[in-house]
Amino acid sequence: KNQVEQSPQSLIILEGKNCTLQCNYTVSPFSNLRWYKQDTGRGPVSLTIMTFSENTKSNGRYTATLDADTKQSSLHITASQLSDSASYICVVSARYGGSQGNLIFGKGTKLSVKP
Amino acid sequence: DTGVSQDPRHKITKRGQNVTFRCDPISEHNRLYWYRQTLGQGPEFLTYFQNEAQLEKSRLLSDRFSAERPKGSFSTLEIQRTEQGDSAMYLCASSSHYTGVNTEAFFGQGTRLTVV
Repeated sequence: KNQVEQSPQSLIILEGKNCTLQCNYTVSPFSNLRWYKQDTGRGPVSLTIMTFSENTKSNGRYTATLDADTKQSSLHITASQLSDSASYICVVSARYGGSQGNLIFGKGTKLSVKP
Repeated sequence: DTGVSQDPRHKITKRGQNVTFRCDPISEHNRLYWYRQTLGQGPEFLTYFQNEAQLEKSRLLSDRFSAERPKGSFSTLEIQRTEQGDSAMYLCASSSHYTGVNTEAFFGQGTRLTVV
């Protein structure tokens, strides 16, 4: 069964610190993986999208990694800011044959950055 | 085209009333998705369209829910005889899908429904 699991469920860090969020998936055949940031009460906004051949992709202070062999991805946030407080959702796309329009969602990690 | 737009942003309705939400996807996108999200949870899949065809419906989509995309462009999601449990954020997303590849999905800002 195609599944995406994220950890931790929630995380509290101090402003300026780094953190890493994890995403494990069992989606097959794999097409791509995306990380979204969702502020409270708003729609998710894409941070990165990674295909099978990409190991690392950065977007400012956000760096995503992908290990297609172990089916794991991480999102590293450097020098966190208060505005990073949000939910971070990992979404994996199956190439074909999957359900849900081939987009499988994780439940998200809720990050709180404290001053 | 500024992205996926949803209307209304907020809706308060009395239990038992019908409500309809609209989603306008990015114009060149052939896929359109509807999700429901309750507080503190990730989005839950409801249904999706490829062009005007509704290809899949979740078991979450009871017979009180109906979605359409009549011309393969905008979509509507209707909830009949609303219940308090229907209170949630309803998200719409669109993407392009071709030969087994899904391009990046873009989300609207959502419609927050409150049933009182």
